[in-house]
Amino acid sequence: AQSVTQLGSHVSVSEGALVLLRCNYSSSVPPYLFWYVQYPNQGLQLLLKYTSAATLVKGINGFEAEFKKSETSFHLTKPSAHMSDAAEYFCAVSGKSGGYQKVTFGTGTKLQVIP
Amino acid sequence: SAVISQKPSRDICQRGTSLTIQCQVDSQVTMMFWYRQQPGQSLTLIATANQGSEATYESGFVIDKFPISRPNLTFSTLTVSNMSPEDSSIYLCSVPPANNYGYTFGSGTRLTVV
Repeated sequence: AQSVTQLGSHVSVSEGALVLLRCNYSSSVPPYLFWYVQYPNQGLQLLLKYTSAATLVKGINGFEAEFKKSETSFHLTKPSAHMSDAAEYFCAVSGKSGGYQKVTFGTGTKLQVIP
Repeated sequence: SAVISQKPSRDICQRGTSLTIQCQVDSQVTMMFWYRQQPGQSLTLIATANQGSEATYESGFVIDKFPISRPNLTFSTLTVSNMSPEDSSIYLCSVPPANNYGYTFGSGTRLTVV
């Protein structure tokens, strides 16, 4: 079975400060890992995806995430927070084998950016 | 990646009625997924819809409550039947990655049952 754990349901950072959103995964096979963002009253938008290529994955809007197998982690970072980054962020895992397996989502982290 | 058009974007419905949500994809896809996001919670998979076969429902979801249609490779509907306030959620459809990119989601349907 696969699962993801997001530490911290709410994170607050000052504008310009480092953003760090934590995600740990569990998977019996090498995983695909995703970060999605959901702005208020909108659907989900893919930020970035890990597919067993480079361990440091760069995404949209200046976000990046590093896959660390030894720590089973896939934390999301951004060097400098913008007000527009305020949203909810979901980490997700999908098994690599078996074609289009269903995606399992974490419980989400709401990011607040303080001016 | 695929583009999904989902409608309606929101609706307020009376309890006991039904609402049908539509998702149209701009390319042919074998599988489509339907999710529910209850207030303040993460996404939960309702069912997987394959074209030409019965949908596969996850534990806790049944066809009588959430009937799904998949008439062709670009379209699917989810009906929320005999609604109660507990069905108030955001419902999203999703398709798997093409060209090794990420799962794509519709913009969601925000349902409020009164």
